Amino acid sequence: ELKVEQNPLFLSMQEGKNYTIYCNYSTTSDRLYWYRQDPGKSLESLFVLLSNGAVKQEGRLMASLDTKARLSTLHITAAVHDLSATYFCAVDEDRTYKYIFGTGTRLKVLA
Amino acid sequence: DAGVTQSPTHLIKTRGQHVTLRCSPISGHKSVSWYQQVLGQGPQFIFQYYEKEERGRGNFPDRFSARQFPNYSSELNVNALLLGDSALYLCASSHGPAGGDTQYFGPGTRLTVL
Repeated sequence: ELKVEQNPLFLSMQEGKNYTIYCNYSTTSDRLYWYRQDPGKSLESLFVLLSNGAVKQEGRLMASLDTKARLSTLHITAAVHDLSATYFCAVDEDRTYKYIFGTGTRLKVLA
Repeated sequence: DAGVTQSPTHLIKTRGQHVTLRCSPISGHKSVSWYQQVLGQGPQFIFQYYEKEERGRGNFPDRFSARQFPNYSSELNVNALLLGDSALYLCASSHGPAGGDTQYFGPGTRLTVL
């Protein structure tokens, strides 16, 4: 069964600092997604990564995918308070149309 | 353009009852997926429908069923409700089958089972 694990589960960081969230998955897939969820709200799509070596950047966030290592990273550069949220990665299990979400990383950026 | 809409927003039921949740996808989207999100956890995949056919099913009991209508809207039905069914139910739509396609999520329906 496909498992998707994120670490850390909780992250408290100072404004202006850099940090990386890791997403590991247990089976073959070359499609990985990152979402953001604010408290009490729905999920917002951040990145869609569709091949080995894919890298996408939006503002202070950059996501990458290494399908051989079954690892994706979400890098935060010079964090600001507005980035405080829970971040989920999700993997699209090959040929099953099943999305499996990770455990989530709750990020709090302190002023 | 309107995003994904879901109804109702909140719902309170008692154990053993039945519930129907509704979802309207973004115009032009033919795929709808359903997820259950328990507080503090990630969403759990329940179903995916594309062109009115079931394309994927998660590890949920047969009490959970769904369908997609000709206008691509969808219903999720849950029979014989249990306390553990209390959760946020999310609907997501995409252009094609979810594989490789961005899914856009609705605001969710908060179900409380007493």
